Amino acid sequence: KNQVEQSPQSLIILEGKNCTLQCNYTVSPFSNLRWYKQDTGRGPVSLTIMTFSENTKSNGRYTATLDADTKQSSLHITASQLSDSASYICVVSPIGSGTYKYIFGTGTRLKVLA
Amino acid sequence: DGGITQSPKYLFRKEGQNVTLSCEQNLNHDAMYWYRQDPGQGLRLIYYSQIVNDFQKGDIAEGYSVSREKKESFPLTVTSAQKNPTAFYLCASRHTEGWYTEAFFGQGTRLTVV
Repeated sequence: KNQVEQSPQSLIILEGKNCTLQCNYTVSPFSNLRWYKQDTGRGPVSLTIMTFSENTKSNGRYTATLDADTKQSSLHITASQLSDSASYICVVSPIGSGTYKYIFGTGTRLKVLA
Repeated sequence: DGGITQSPKYLFRKEGQNVTLSCEQNLNHDAMYWYRQDPGQGLRLIYYSQIVNDFQKGDIAEGYSVSREKKESFPLTVTSAQKNPTAFYLCASRHTEGWYTEAFFGQGTRLTVV
């Protein structure tokens, strides 16, 4: 069964600190992996998208890495800000689904404290 | 402004009522999706449409119906057959040319049964 698991479920850090969120997946083969940021009560917004052949992708203070051999991805947030408080969702797209189907993780809820 | 708009933001439904959630996009995207989000779970696909006048069931279509009469619009009806409709509903759209294209989400509709 195709699955995407994220850890930790929730995380609290102080403003200015770095953190790393993890995503393990069993989806295989897959075409791309995405990280989304979702503020409470809002729709998800894309942070990064990587193909199976890419190892890293940055978007400002957000850096995603991908290890297709171990089926793991991480999202590293540098110098966190209060506005980083949100849920971060890992999404994997299987190859050949024909529907551009996405497999969503349950997300990591990040809280950044002043 | 280009984007995807969901309305209303909050919706209350009485037992036995049908309600319709609106989703409109002006991004000229071919594909549109409806997802349901529940606490502690990943987004689950209800219905999707890749072209006007055509739509397919997702993983949890029972108790829901959709239409795609216009490219810009993909309304979702939550029928009385849906026994547990209280959830956060998200609409998304994307181009169908190329698997690498980005999916854009609306801001969501929170439906509550009263």
